[in-house]
Amino acid sequence: QQQVKQSPQSLIVQKGGISIINCAYENTAFDYFPWYQQFPGKGPALLIAIRPDVSEKKEGRFTISFNKSAKQFSLHIMDSQPGDSATYFCAASMRGNTPLVFGKGTRLSVIA
Amino acid sequence: NAGVTQTPKFRILKIGQSMTLQCAQDMNHNYMYWYRQDPGMGLKLIYYSVGAGITDKGEVPNGYNVSRSTTEYFPLRLELAAPSQTSVYFCASSYFLAGKTPFKGTDTQYFGPGTRLTVL
Repeated sequence: QQQVKQSPQSLIVQKGGISIINCAYENTAFDYFPWYQQFPGKGPALLIAIRPDVSEKKEGRFTISFNKSAKQFSLHIMDSQPGDSATYFCAASMRGNTPLVFGKGTRLSVIA
Repeated sequence: NAGVTQTPKFRILKIGQSMTLQCAQDMNHNYMYWYRQDPGMGLKLIYYSVGAGITDKGEVPNGYNVSRSTTEYFPLRLELAAPSQTSVYFCASSYFLAGKTPFKGTDTQYFGPGTRLTVL
């Protein structure tokens, strides 16, 4: 049972374009939704996260949009740069620091 | 701070051999985790620990064992290695303060650089 479904598996975006990665979850008890970024040969690192009391969170060029009723959240990367080329994972967990449940990842390639 | 460190970086095992993947953190985090990452499959939780002496199974614990005798170390043991255990293994840690959940400070998991294991 996959609790967090992520799409697309891979994404190619032109430099300066907008990258959009979507995730859907099933467990309504989830209340913490982070996105992790992973470069080749490295461990994942937290990029940005949101809680369901807000519908959007923005940090620089990265924005999470959250739709509680649809049980979906997405990552938007504005003005995508070649340095953003990485694998992105969405995740979810419940209050109390229960372990994160990860999506399968999206490999983003930003081409010049 | 070194953060989360893992050794070795790479290892090749023969079927049936055993080994221990080492993980250490110097951030005084109480929670520690072991994940495996297979291509296109995301990160799957093997075991986790909420403090010294306390461990619990994750989604894919079969074939693995863990122990947590101190806050800093959380080794992962593979007994009787099998080709299905070929993967990249990540250790992570986080800090959780019961009763208080400041947004970022207690939910962020910090990952190590990983151990790439091949079982032939």
